[in-house]
Parts: sequence; C-alpha cells; structure tokens
Amino acid sequence: DAKTTQPNSMESNEEEPVHLPCNHSTISGTDYIHWYRQLPSQGPEYVIHGLTSNVNNRMASLAIAEDRKSSTLILHRATLRDAAVYYCILSSGGSNYKLTFGKGTLLTVNP
Amino acid sequence: GAGVSQTPSNKVTEKGKYVELRCDPISGHTALYWYRQSLGQGPEFLIYFQGTGAADDSGLPNDRFFAVRPEGSVSTLKIQRTERGDSAVYLCASSLTGILQNTEAFFGQGTRLTVV
Repeated sequence: DAKTTQPNSMESNEEEPVHLPCNHSTISGTDYIHWYRQLPSQGPEYVIHGLTSNVNNRMASLAIAEDRKSSTLILHRATLRDAAVYYCILSSGGSNYKLTFGKGTLLTVNP
Repeated sequence: GAGVSQTPSNKVTEKGKYVELRCDPISGHTALYWYRQSLGQGPEFLIYFQGTGAADDSGLPNDRFFAVRPEGSVSTLKIQRTERGDSAVYLCASSLTGILQNTEAFFGQGTRLTVV
C-alpha cells in the first residue's frame, strides 16, 4: 500500500484556519485520498476524500497538489470541537474497501 | 438516525477466556469492517464483510480470532484463549457499499477489551 506522512502534532487557535499537510509521494494513479478524524474516546469520523480535483464539503476542503504527491486538509475556522487526530489515508483500486491508518496528526485547538 | 452500535462498550476478561464482541451496523449497509486500535496507534484493519461473507480476513492476527455475519447485518467478533496482548479497542464500521471512493465508512465507538 502507498504510504502517507503527516506531522505528529499541530496547534491552532480557535476561529483561525488550519492547514493539515499530508505527503504521499508513492501514490498511484488510482489511489483516492481520504481524511478521517478521531475525537477523544470516539471512533473515527469521515471528513472528506478526493482523487485529483480539490474538494469542498460542509466540514472542510481538500487541496490536492497537481502531481498528487501531497495534499492539504483545510479547516476554515477551527473550533474547540475540531481538536482530534486527523488521518490521511490512501485507498487503492484493488482494495478500495480498506482504510490503512497511520498515526495521524494530533490537532490541538487553543481557545 | 442510529449509527453503528457496539456492545459491550467495555469488557474485562481473564487471560485464556473466550470473548464475543457485537456490532450492529447501520441498516441497509452491505459492507462491515472490524478494526483494532492499540494505545497511541491508528486503527488496524482486521476483516471486511460484503453481505454475509468475509471478503478479506487478511488482517486477523491468528486463528484465535474469528468473525461472523450470518444474516448480513449484525456481526460478532470472537476471540478464543485471550492473551494480554489482545487488549485494545475493537472498532466496527459499516458503509453502504464496499467501495469507499463512492461512500464513507461510519465507525462505532468501539469496545475496549482488557485482558488481565
């Protein structure tokens, strides 16, 4: 499976934008990029996913580099509820049901 | 609506005992998954069901672990002869189909298993 690299931790202030980076230099043409997050004592929760084009939904935006070797999850205005571990995951066409989680990025949001 | 429900939320068992963990997926979801999460780590894939059949059980660590989904809805993860190393949070997820490019996985809150 193609691997992702994320910073171990990041900090943000409430109501400011947050940019969470993910490197995936070995991504293949059919790999989708998924983001899930896990709040304390909860199961993971879907955030967003995409293939090539930038994606927006009510929770966040996903910016995908033109060469697809990196992507950035953007939270437009962080709230205290956004404090969580954020996982960047690739799924390949052959195993498109499987999410291979790394350690993710622990986001701390300061009031 | 109801999400993915897992019972029990906590289970403490003695080494060597047998345990069953239950998952009630979202109604109508054909795909069901089990993951295991150790402290400080991301969830680790165990098994994927499409309907009643296990389409991929490559993540089950050894033959002490077994999972069933006899009617294509509720699933049970069974662990025989538990060991202290089995202590973890066991997460269940479901999705409308098994193609996560087209849908999202919904996770339950997990069962925290402690083997003493």
